[in-house]
Amino acid sequence: DTEVTQTPKHLVMGMTNKKSLKCEQHMGHRAMYWYKQKAKKPPELMFVYSYEKLSINESVPSRFSPECPNSSLLNLHLHALQPEDSALYLCASSPTGITNTEAFFGQGTRLTVV
Amino acid sequence: DAKTTQPPSMDCAEGRAANLPCNHSTISGNEYVYWYRQIHSQGPQYIIHGLKNNETNEMASLIITEDRKSSTLILPHATLRDTAVYYCIVRVVNAGNMLTFGGGTRLMVKP
Repeated sequence: DTEVTQTPKHLVMGMTNKKSLKCEQHMGHRAMYWYKQKAKKPPELMFVYSYEKLSINESVPSRFSPECPNSSLLNLHLHALQPEDSALYLCASSPTGITNTEAFFGQGTRLTVV
Repeated sequence: DAKTTQPPSMDCAEGRAANLPCNHSTISGNEYVYWYRQIHSQGPQYIIHGLKNNETNEMASLIITEDRKSSTLILPHATLRDTAVYYCIVRVVNAGNMLTFGGGTRLMVKP
């Protein structure tokens, strides 16, 4: 199984809502990532988790709150978002300790903030 | 990570080879060259990577110049399904597996 599964595929939320994006992988990867991608732009790294601990936060606003409850799951909790946060949110995973390897991406959650 | 430069867009006729260039003139000795592609509305997909030797797999070939300052991704027989944005990324071997994406090349394969 070389899949990274993201749910939901689409999400529309109001600026006062709280929602969560979910990401799951069963490849035994201990590094997981969140990226944000605006239309016609490349993906931008948001967070990196290594062995279920947050290792990199690319100065992401606190209205985005990541969580890694176990080695297979990665969540992104959303609260009080702005319309400019509308984007495709991509999750990825990769092995750790082996740096010459590929990352696997999910299909993304397309988020619209209204 | 070293910066990469790619043409913003390219066209290719179906069935012909697609040659996508990438300039990485500031690459250092411990950086690999990776290629990913992103088909519309999907997540990026790994294609191939290399350090200094040319590499080939079932998807593509990667040609890296001897001075490692540039590389070319070759799709030998492009199909309509190869229409995508192709990202060339250079990555420090010991800096984890996170990727820093540049602008990429939007390849349009035409019938």
